[in-house]
Amino acid sequence: GAVVSQHPSRVICKSGTSVKIECRSLDFQATTMFWYRQFPKQSLMLMATSNEGSKATYEQGVEKDKFLINHASLTLSTLTVTSAHPEDSSFYICSAKSGTGRGYTFGSGTRLTVV
Amino acid sequence: QQQVKQSPQSLIVQKGGISIINCAYENTAFDYFPWYQQFPGKGPALLIAIRPDVSEKKEGRFTISFNKSAKQFSLHIMDSQPGDSATYFCAASSGSSNSGYALNFGKGTSLLVTP
Repeated sequence: GAVVSQHPSRVICKSGTSVKIECRSLDFQATTMFWYRQFPKQSLMLMATSNEGSKATYEQGVEKDKFLINHASLTLSTLTVTSAHPEDSSFYICSAKSGTGRGYTFGSGTRLTVV
Repeated sequence: QQQVKQSPQSLIVQKGGISIINCAYENTAFDYFPWYQQFPGKGPALLIAIRPDVSEKKEGRFTISFNKSAKQFSLHIMDSQPGDSATYFCAASSGSSNSGYALNFGKGTSLLVTP
């Protein structure tokens, strides 16, 4: 089946530094990538949607200059958290979709802790 | 604004019992209704999904019941097992490129199956 590999699974960084999270679709072309943020015991909140080769569309309230999304190829999308602060600590999850199909494949998530 | 309302927030079921989780939506443009299972520290995994042209779909111990007129759908887990203890999310999406096909998640139900 479709697999999305997300790395790293855990990262601890110092306040003010930047962190990059990668999601790769291993056996299909991810024409659309979704990035979610999840706080403990809460639901997944959509941060942004990106289509390969296009600029990401950010949800209301999500700072596009802080959460940089790159989707330069059909198999790779990255989320960079710039100038991270403790309040950015969360679980970040990517999800990939191919074409107009309705199958969404989720990555295993990245636990970001900013100290 | 939560587009998909999910209940209950938490559920305790004895081994062998039936777990039932309910969801409701308002947006009639939604045409894809998946259920996801999430274990702590992991990304969501698709359990089962349904389209609005059928009223029920069964896969193994998992059944989705769908009521289009009431705009409600539910997940039934038959013969619940301790290994089913996880958080369950319902979701809905629209087959419209305007929406980006993004999934709208319910708030989640924490299921505990006791031995």
